[in-house]
Amino acid sequence: DAGVIQSPRHEVTEMGQEVTLRCKPISGHDYLFWYRQTMMRGLELLIYFNNNVPIDDSGMPEDRFSAKMPNASFSTLKIQPSEPRDSAVYFCASTGTGANYGYTFGSGTRLTVV
Amino acid sequence: AQKVTQAQTEISVVEKEDVTLDCVYETRDTTYYLFWYKQPPSGELVFLIRRNSFDEQNEISGRYSWNFQKSTSSFNFTITASQVVDSAVYFCALSEATDSSYKLIFGSGTRLLVRP
Repeated sequence: DAGVIQSPRHEVTEMGQEVTLRCKPISGHDYLFWYRQTMMRGLELLIYFNNNVPIDDSGMPEDRFSAKMPNASFSTLKIQPSEPRDSAVYFCASTGTGANYGYTFGSGTRLTVV
Repeated sequence: AQKVTQAQTEISVVEKEDVTLDCVYETRDTTYYLFWYKQPPSGELVFLIRRNSFDEQNEISGRYSWNFQKSTSSFNFTITASQVVDSAVYFCALSEATDSSYKLIFGSGTRLLVRP
């Protein structure tokens, strides 16, 4: 398996623009997570899905952030409109259960909003 | 609620020294999992170990060892004979992994600098 795949690796955008981050989890994993990493706040869990259904979005900072998982192999995190304070590294991770339990992280997307 | 505390923000050692990274956790569940991840300067999160709450045996993997003590809610990580390549940020994490939650919560990380 190629692991968790995130795209793009780097994104630079202007304030006010819409940004979409993408994630492909490991095949067979039931859970998908979106994290944000900043110097000030460390690694924060934004939202996670189980079988494509959002379970806990209490970490989503505000209404400008939204996440979807239309199928088992794809998820998006969208920021609209983007602001400079959204600049961070965004990680996607997935895990299965039972014998497949173990969180695998993607390489992250470094977002810079100017 | 879950909480992970890594009190050491930054540690600096000279190569070949042993170093221990501390991790203290809080959880109300009796079944939970603890993890350590390494984040090198390149930025990816590299899995090091997973330990479940029912297994208190210490584990050794090469120069790495982990000490799990439920009595003190600690899961400490020791690097023996440190090397420059060990320089990274190390994160301890906790998951209650129950039917209702598979949230993985991270500590704030400890930055380890190994000087030649």
